[in-house]
Amino acid sequence: AQKITQTQPGMFVQEKEAVTLDCTYDTSDQSYGLFWYKQPSSGEMIFLIYQGSYDEQNATEGRYSLNFQKARKSANLVISASQLGDSAMYFCAMREDDKIIFGKGTRLHILP
Amino acid sequence: SAVISQKPSRDICQRGTSLTIQCQVDSQVTMMFWYRQQPGQSLTLIATANQGSEATYESGFVIDKFPISRPNLTFSTLTVSNMSPEDSSIYLCSVGRAGSTRNEQFFGPGTRLTVL
Repeated sequence: AQKITQTQPGMFVQEKEAVTLDCTYDTSDQSYGLFWYKQPSSGEMIFLIYQGSYDEQNATEGRYSLNFQKARKSANLVISASQLGDSAMYFCAMREDDKIIFGKGTRLHILP
Repeated sequence: SAVISQKPSRDICQRGTSLTIQCQVDSQVTMMFWYRQQPGQSLTLIATANQGSEATYESGFVIDKFPISRPNLTFSTLTVSNMSPEDSSIYLCSVGRAGSTRNEQFFGPGTRLTVL
């Protein structure tokens, strides 16, 4: 069964607009962590943001914020004021033991 | 975060040959991992590289096909053996910090492998 679900294979967003990338997860653990990574066309994986299951506040890192809704098992990434350089693949991921499991990703295109 | 380098950055190989990919970290790390990313796909964990002992492989991956070495806390190699076109992928190493409450992983730049 898929543990990380990203339902948007691709998105097109106008530059300077905010964008929300969806992610839902499935776990029976009480303690877990959720991550978002960015993968530009160069192929590197860039860590963006982390949310712990016990964190009461939504994580924020600069223009990135994580909309964590624990009861709905949802961990959406919000990018404010999008820029052309934000065009990339975005992966939602979950920590399970010492491993990280990745979703299938969303390809984000920022339009000038 | 640690600085991670991989060699080679890309390669084109013939069917039936083997390629060894190196991963070097600029600081000692406890956890090292190898992932495969097939074209247009997400990342799949191949194995956890254990220092001083055999790697721990995920379901669907075997040591004969993907032998891994980790002689110390800063270096690991992944060999893709007896390659076929289906092995064409990006191979990434990642590192984690034991004791980190977040257990985030940081990735190397990846090795793009094309098998003809």
